[in-house]
Amino acid sequence: DIVMTQSPDSLAVSLGESATINCKSSQSVLYISNNENYLAWYQQKPGQPPKLLIYWASTRESGVPDRFSGSGSGTDFTLTISSLQAEDVAVYYCHQYHSTPWTFGQGTKVEIK
Amino acid sequence: QVQLVQSGTEVKKPGASVKVSCKASGYTFTGYAISWVRQAPGQGIEWMGWISPYNGNTNYAQNLQGRVTMTTDTSTTTAYMELRSLRSDDTAVYYCAREGEGGSYYSYWGQGALVTVSS
Repeated sequence: DIVMTQSPDSLAVSLGESATINCKSSQSVLYISNNENYLAWYQQKPGQPPKLLIYWASTRESGVPDRFSGSGSGTDFTLTISSLQAEDVAVYYCHQYHSTPWTFGQGTKVEIK
Repeated sequence: QVQLVQSGTEVKKPGASVKVSCKASGYTFTGYAISWVRQAPGQGIEWMGWISPYNGNTNYAQNLQGRVTMTTDTSTTTAYMELRSLRSDDTAVYYCAREGEGGSYYSYWGQGALVTVSS
């Protein structure tokens, strides 16, 4: 199984500042045949299902604000929130869909400082 | 618009079974796989498996093999997840989720169904 490890477990950022969440996979999630990284990011607020933010490591889902961006390749990925807003307080998860069992990171809680 | 509407809260005793439904609408049901994931209280997300409504093919998480069955009813565009021999550590919110265009990321989610296992 591919193990997804996020860092940090939590972070507190001032409004308008940047937040960076890292995700490392135990094996590469890059398919050489199509040069795609099978990595997604989700945002989850209390009492709600996760919401897709980013897929293919860097493609923003329709309707997601452009302050959210994804980067990385192979085994190391980053989700950046460029200017944190109050509504971005949530837990963020990375998810690999390269090999079953699909697996998720343990989550990173983002709070306002 | 795409919607996944799940059945409601369940309370079960250890050893019992639960069957959660997921009614899909707003898209061609047979065109996209449905996954089931669960989230124990205050915990992370665990993938349970997926099913193709097109041909009924399934892929289950190894730790649930033998206890979980996923099915679909194309006439009612509903997916089902049955979990048997329930234990207290099966207490969780169970979500259905639809894959995206061309990849097994989850573009759409059900609202979740809380299953509590308690004697």
